[in-house]
Parts: sequence; C-alpha cells; structure tokens
Amino acid sequence: DVKVTQSSRYLVKRTGEKVFLECVQDMDHENMFWYRQDPGLGLRLIYFSYDVKMKEKGDIPEGYSVSREKKERFSLILESASTNQTSMYLCASRYRLAGGQETQYFGPGTRLLVL
Amino acid sequence: KQEVTQIPAALSVPEGENLVLNCSFTDSAIYNLQWFRQDPGKGLTSLLLIQSSQREQTSGRLNASLDKSSGRSTLYIAASQPGDSATYLCAVRYRGFNKFYFGSGTKLNVKP
Repeated sequence: DVKVTQSSRYLVKRTGEKVFLECVQDMDHENMFWYRQDPGLGLRLIYFSYDVKMKEKGDIPEGYSVSREKKERFSLILESASTNQTSMYLCASRYRLAGGQETQYFGPGTRLLVL
Repeated sequence: KQEVTQIPAALSVPEGENLVLNCSFTDSAIYNLQWFRQDPGKGLTSLLLIQSSQREQTSGRLNASLDKSSGRSTLYIAASQPGDSATYLCAVRYRGFNKFYFGSGTKLNVKP
C-alpha cells in the first residue's frame, strides 16, 4: 500500500512563527502537492513539485514556500504564520503507470491553528 | 476557467437506498477524473479514477460514469450503508494542466 505521511496531525502556532509541515511518501513518486482545505472554499493548491528541487506555484502560494531536497520528502514552510493560515493542510503524491493511468494519494492532513 | 461543481452540497438518505452524486465540469478536454471520500478531520481516500477514454469504472458497490460531451460524472452508490456517510469529492485533471481541480464536495449522511 502506498503511504503518504504528514509529520503532525495537529499544530498550534503563534502569529509570526516560522512553521514547517513535512510530507513523506514511500513509493518514489515524482509529483507531490500541497493543498489547503477550508470550509466553503474546498481544496486549493498551494504548491506542487514534479521532481527533486523543482517546484511550481499553485493557486494560492502567497505566504508559503516549499522545499524538495529528496524525492520522498516535500516540505511546506510558512515563513511568518498569520491567523488567516489557520486551515487543514493536505499533502498528496501522484504517480503514473504504464499506459498513462495515474492516481493521487493523500496524507491524513495537518490541522494548523495560528493564534 | 476550469471549474468543478458538485450538487447537492448535502444529502441524507435512509440505509439501503441507491443514490447518485453528481459532478459537473466546464471543459471537455479532461485527462482524467477521480472520486474521493473524506471522513471528518481526515485526509482523502481515492475511490475510483476514470481516464478520459473510459465511460465508467466500478468497485464493489460503487460505479462512476463519465460523459465528456455533457461535462458530467456521476458516482452511483448501491445499497447505501451508514458506513458510507462521508464527504465525497470529485477532482478533474484537464489536459495541459498538472493539477487537479476539486469540487466542493457532497456531504452524505446514511441514516440507520
């Protein structure tokens, strides 16, 4: 079974703190994604990475950065946490089979509260 | 603009009923479409993935269909059970785009 793990299920941070959210997948997938999920707004893509050290901005990258130094690990960084970054953060990885079939696997999520 | 819409936002049915969840998308140039389930406070679990060349996919009591010309997908759940209660999300990957576009979900409650 594919496993996507996230470093924390729940986090409480203070405004202005630097926050690191870690995501690890164990299946050598090339593509990894960070989403945030908010009531009424659904899932919104923050950043994605299609290979080591490669990244692209998603729909809402402001206030976030990412790091992918190793293929299995994709980190989301909140440089200076703000209360409007309180949210559920979901990491996903995606792979493609021969024939073009692909699927996304999601981690369990990190619920972040910024006070 | 690529959009994905799910109607209804919430659905409550008695146990044993067959039901259909709807997903609409605005661009027929899709690469694939995936249905997910999300339990409260948890991540997403993949249920079914349909490639653009396919019309439907089945897994157990679940059947997902795809009609590109009308911009619609349906998720059919047969003989619903209380354990099916969750939020169901539809996600579309359009050709030329690396990301998935998600609908806002249908929250299903199956009453015992």
